[in-house]
Amino acid sequence: DGGITQSPKYLFRKEGQNVTLSCEQNLNHDAMYWYRQDPGQGLRLIYYSQIVNDFQKGDIAEGYSVSREKKESFPLTVTSAQKNPTAFYLCASKKSGTNQPQHFGDGTRLSIL
Amino acid sequence: GQQLNQSPQSMFIQEGEDVSMNCTSSSIFNTWLWYKQDPGEGPVLLIALYKAGELTSNGRLTAQFGITRKDSFLNISASIPSDVGIYFCAGLIFGGSQGNLIFGKGTKLSVKP
Repeated sequence: DGGITQSPKYLFRKEGQNVTLSCEQNLNHDAMYWYRQDPGQGLRLIYYSQIVNDFQKGDIAEGYSVSREKKESFPLTVTSAQKNPTAFYLCASKKSGTNQPQHFGDGTRLSIL
Repeated sequence: GQQLNQSPQSMFIQEGEDVSMNCTSSSIFNTWLWYKQDPGEGPVLLIALYKAGELTSNGRLTAQFGITRKDSFLNISASIPSDVGIYFCAGLIFGGSQGNLIFGKGTKLSVKP
């Protein structure tokens, strides 16, 4: 089936540790996005990528890093510099074309140990 | 930054009742999207709207793109227990950059059987 796969579903981070969240899509979408969701809040954009080997900071990029080496994959690293990493992280992708809707994966919940 | 005001924040209704929620902004949008999110899952696209005045249905759901292009509403008719979840509006601002969405903070819907 075509879709967006995020893994793991749950992740725990120790103090001072970097962790990487995976996002893979087999929809042949060009653009990919990472969002952070906190309780009672809307989605906030962390990073996005319109094309392979290129990505841009979103509204809350500090403490996060990404790479886009393949069209299908857009991993997000939560670094030790992110002091409040506990949240639900959502990956999305869309076809090229400004008005195309974004489609989401099922999310990764990150917690501090 | 740009903001979408989504209301109400939460709703508690009886099964069978109709539901209405809306999003407003001071900015002009060229696309409105409505998503539903179940607990612990990613948002799922319900309806996409692309033209001012457009009225689109998806089963018991109906959404409209406001004539002023600054608002949108979503109606759910004859609610059932599986309608429970958080409904998000999202929009693309006219002239906005690279297809990045702006999200409302969500309407949490609870349905009593």
